[in-house]
Amino acid sequence: EAGVVQSPRYKIIEKKQPVAFWCNPISGHNTLYWYLQNLGQGPELLIRYENEEAVDDSQLPKDRFSAERLKGVDSTLKIQPAELGDSAVYLCASSLEGQREQFFGPGTRLTVL
Amino acid sequence: DAKTTQPPSMDCAEGRAANLPCNHSTISGNEYVYWYRQIHSQGPQYIIHGLKNNETNEMASLIITEDRKSSTLILPHATLRDTAVYYCIARGNEKLTFGTGTRLTIIP
Repeated sequence: EAGVVQSPRYKIIEKKQPVAFWCNPISGHNTLYWYLQNLGQGPELLIRYENEEAVDDSQLPKDRFSAERLKGVDSTLKIQPAELGDSAVYLCASSLEGQREQFFGPGTRLTVL
Repeated sequence: DAKTTQPPSMDCAEGRAANLPCNHSTISGNEYVYWYRQIHSQGPQYIIHGLKNNETNEMASLIITEDRKSSTLILPHATLRDTAVYYCIARGNEKLTFGTGTRLTIIP
């Protein structure tokens, strides 16, 4: 069974540029999560989707961050414009309805110069 | 979710049992104890979870005290591949709230 796929694995951009991260969850998993992980810290939830609906986006900085999951499968997380403090690893996870175990992808490491 | 407290780092000799403690003194009755680990440059990986009974799977054992205020994750025969950051989470809903975890280093 393929795991959660994320791309790109690494991204380097200059501040004020836009950036997008893509996530393909495990087939059949209806719940999708985006997390932010700063160096030396544990992951922090940004947004949770149940199918196409964002059911928890309370921690998503909506002035510059946006996310979508149009067909309830793949998801994209965007930052526009990026700031120096956005340098971090962005993790995607998915889970099956009724199952509490979350499966994580390898993450995208963003460096903003 | 209740706050959890873990030692920042631990060492364990290869082949020995690694015992990772976690305090969760304010845990409520409906909160499960979850353990995840994160190997360098990878996403977190689920290990095990429990409510009040001890649990065992192919990866580890989870021992929860009777008052549920603390727990211990046991890796019975640690290998070098078990070197990772281990997160203990008290979870009552869909959200996983990670702390800073314990960095476990397995020594050859």
